[in-house]
Amino acid sequence: GAVVSQHPSWVICKSGTSVKIECRSLDFQATTMFWYRQFPKQSLMLMATSNEGSKATYEQGVEKDKFLINHASLTLSTLTVTSAHPEDSSFYICSARGTSEGYEQYFGPGTRLTVT
Amino acid sequence: GQNIDQPTEMTATEGAIVQINCTYQTSGFNGLFWYQQHAGEAPTFLSYNVLDGLEEKGRFSSFLSRSKGYSYLLLKELQMKDSASYLCAVSPPYSSASKIIFGSGTRLSIRP
Repeated sequence: GAVVSQHPSWVICKSGTSVKIECRSLDFQATTMFWYRQFPKQSLMLMATSNEGSKATYEQGVEKDKFLINHASLTLSTLTVTSAHPEDSSFYICSARGTSEGYEQYFGPGTRLTVT
Repeated sequence: GQNIDQPTEMTATEGAIVQINCTYQTSGFNGLFWYQQHAGEAPTFLSYNVLDGLEEKGRFSSFLSRSKGYSYLLLKELQMKDSASYLCAVSPPYSSASKIIFGSGTRLSIRP
């Protein structure tokens, strides 16, 4: 149980376009989802915390107008990278936590974004 | 804020034991996690400590001392597949959303 999926697994887009990444909890209701970014050989950096039905809470230094997060249902959160630039190329990982899942966060498989 | 320190890289031999240390500085504490991450993959949960002491799970054990702001992950009977990054992460205090902050990770290489 407690499976989280992400779509797409990888995407290549042109500079200036927008890309949407989906994060789904497949067998539990995720009241809270987290979005992370990871550059090569670095650790995960928390970008934002997303609660179902409310606005996301962004970490310091993360532009909320550039990284749009929507958590419209208890099983789906989306991250849209707007006006993408090559420096946005990274590994984006979501995690989810449900009310019945205790303390553990379950991670999705990640999305590799390359902006050309 | 949170300050989490762990060694950048470690090397160990197949069949041996390795201990990966993690120190953290925080004004409060809601628990400490260890995750394993293979290159290009998402992290997988290994352990969670909120009270002092040792938690054992098969070949992996995790220890916590809250007074010292210190934890370690102990891996026994090392296998080649244990080559991965090991991430220490702390749950900040007063965090109703249970967010966790990751350290920089320790890249562990296992040699035959």
